[in-house]
Amino acid sequence: DTGVSQDPRHKITKRGQNVTFRCDPISEHNRLYWYRQTLGQGPEFLTYFQNEAQLEKSRLLSDRFSAERPKGSFSTLEIQRTEQGDSAMYLCASSPLLGGGASRTEAFFGQGTRLTVV
Amino acid sequence: SQQGEEDPQALSIQEGENATMNCSYKTSINNLQWYRQNSGRGLVHLILIRSNEREKHSGRLRVTLDTSKKSSSLLITASRAADTASYFCATDDPFTGGGNKLTFGTGTQLKVEL
Repeated sequence: DTGVSQDPRHKITKRGQNVTFRCDPISEHNRLYWYRQTLGQGPEFLTYFQNEAQLEKSRLLSDRFSAERPKGSFSTLEIQRTEQGDSAMYLCASSPLLGGGASRTEAFFGQGTRLTVV
Repeated sequence: SQQGEEDPQALSIQEGENATMNCSYKTSINNLQWYRQNSGRGLVHLILIRSNEREKHSGRLRVTLDTSKKSSSLLITASRAADTASYFCATDDPFTGGGNKLTFGTGTQLKVEL
């Protein structure tokens, strides 16, 4: 396993269409995060999974956004009825849950999916 | 929302020079991390400094943390062209049920010229 994998790398869609992105985390990592990054800004947190449970969602995640992580492995992020303001880089990250209550907080990021809504 | 600001927004230096980037944040923290991002790519973790640490080194990287001023600095010594990238600081807010939300600054774009 060489790292976090995201697919597709680039997506161009027409306004109003639905899009779905996939993230495959590092295999032993229980924790999975989605972030969104617009040009010239740092990434902003969207949502967090621990195994299959979605434990946190940002207010940035409107009703048109939904994320899943079935079986606690890969995750998908779907955007319905895309708008031009959804154009951004969508980044997935994962981190391990260590034993004994310890946790590593540094995240391992994928290469991202760049979404362009035209 | 962004946790803090980074300064400068852009920095251009010659290969071999040192590069210093500063980060300010707003709330109390458990730790502060620095990440690098090459153009259009994902982020790579560089170094983590805990709130009870004042300085940390890793290879050519030196990070300082001043919790009283809510600021951190990243120093890259003897820079190389390959160091050209955007650099982000990030603070983490632990979730009650475990896991950590990273809150990133706005980033410094570093360009190292030959």
